[in-house]
Amino acid sequence: DTGVSQDPRHKITKRGQNVTFRCDPISEHNRLYWYRQTLGQGPEFLTYFQNEAQLEKSRLLSDRFSAERPKGSFSTLEIQRTEQGDSAMYLCASSLAIRADTGELFFGEGSRLTVL
Amino acid sequence: GQSLEQPSEVTAVEGAIVQINCTYQTSGFYGLSWYQQHDGGAPTFLSYNALDGLEETGRFSSFLSRSDSYGYLLLQELQMKDSASYFCGSGGGNKLTFGTGTQLKVEL
Repeated sequence: DTGVSQDPRHKITKRGQNVTFRCDPISEHNRLYWYRQTLGQGPEFLTYFQNEAQLEKSRLLSDRFSAERPKGSFSTLEIQRTEQGDSAMYLCASSLAIRADTGELFFGEGSRLTVL
Repeated sequence: GQSLEQPSEVTAVEGAIVQINCTYQTSGFYGLSWYQQHDGGAPTFLSYNALDGLEETGRFSSFLSRSDSYGYLLLQELQMKDSASYFCGSGGGNKLTFGTGTQLKVEL
């Protein structure tokens, strides 16, 4: 098992451009989460899926952000019309729903976005 | 909603014991998790307390007091590799909300 993988690891873009990040979870995990982390802060919840269904989305999440998990396996997070405030590390995590109450998530190493 | 508060920074010497505190305010509480994150790395799960008391995993222990809305992570026999950020998290069931994080610096 290769763990949670994210691509690209680094992305530099100009303000106003669209970017897309991909996450491949641990294969048997049916839950997938997206978090955002800025320097010196804890991960901030964005959204999560169980299989292909998006079950919760943060109220803080702008409508410029959209996430999909079309076949219940990999997921994509797209940010449209990027702003400098979107610069952050975007973390993906996965877990098994039956173990959700253990508080254990498996994180990828993240995709770092820099908006110029 | 949920909020979790941690000290921003703790410094200790190699071989010592250090305690990282976490106080929380939640509308619904499902237990307290702890994660370690090295610079540039992924957060890694350390421990979880669903009930009051102490959970021990090797050099790391975690404690929870629901009545005090308080928990801590105890690291014993500190090693240089323990220098990292530590986050408490709460939620369970659906999502985790993380604390502000504590940067631990281990010195010789």
